[in-house]
Amino acid sequence: EAQVTQNPRYLITVTGKKLTVTCSQNMNHEYMSWYRQDPGLGLRQIYYSMNVEVTDKGDVPEGYKVSRKEKRNFPLILESPSPNQTSLYFCASSKGLVGTETQYFGPGTRLLVL
Amino acid sequence: AQSVTQLGSHVSVSEGALVLLRCNYSSSVPPYLFWYVQYPNQGLQLLLKYTSAATLVKGINGFEAEFKKSETSFHLTKPSAHMSDAAEYFCAVSDVSQGNLIFGKGTKLSVKP
Repeated sequence: EAQVTQNPRYLITVTGKKLTVTCSQNMNHEYMSWYRQDPGLGLRQIYYSMNVEVTDKGDVPEGYKVSRKEKRNFPLILESPSPNQTSLYFCASSKGLVGTETQYFGPGTRLLVL
Repeated sequence: AQSVTQLGSHVSVSEGALVLLRCNYSSSVPPYLFWYVQYPNQGLQLLLKYTSAATLVKGINGFEAEFKKSETSFHLTKPSAHMSDAAEYFCAVSDVSQGNLIFGKGTKLSVKP
């Protein structure tokens, strides 16, 4: 089954404790992206990747890092989480540059930073 | 810069009534437009998309949307609401040069029995 998976689905952590949210897709998609969803703000893009070793900032990249060492994986790293990073995070992938391509979304990771 | 405005953060309709969710966009180049649906505790699922072919686009679950360039709108409609349509709906815009989707803030649809 074609899908985007994220782990963990739920995470509670404390300020400053480094964490990684994994994202993996099995569709051989070149383009992957991370979004955060906050009430009343919709989805905002954090980082995206056009292919292996090619990443770029989205609209809200501060406090986040990403890497793309393999085509299927695109982990999101919070080096020193803060309470304002409490949010619902989605990973997405598509065949190519967004344009007309459909993005496929993972199930989401709900993060609480205390 | 592109942007999307969804009018109404909450819309409530009765079962069987017309569903109309409004979306207006701003883009300096021909846009590609999308509607996504998010059911409770789930990720986003594509409902339909406009990619400069037919202006009336039919999607899944009986939804459709019409691209109106003169009004810069891409409103989502469904003739008869079903209880299972209760969800949050997001309009999004992109274009051929963009590496991302710009989302609206979402409209939560409630369906009353």
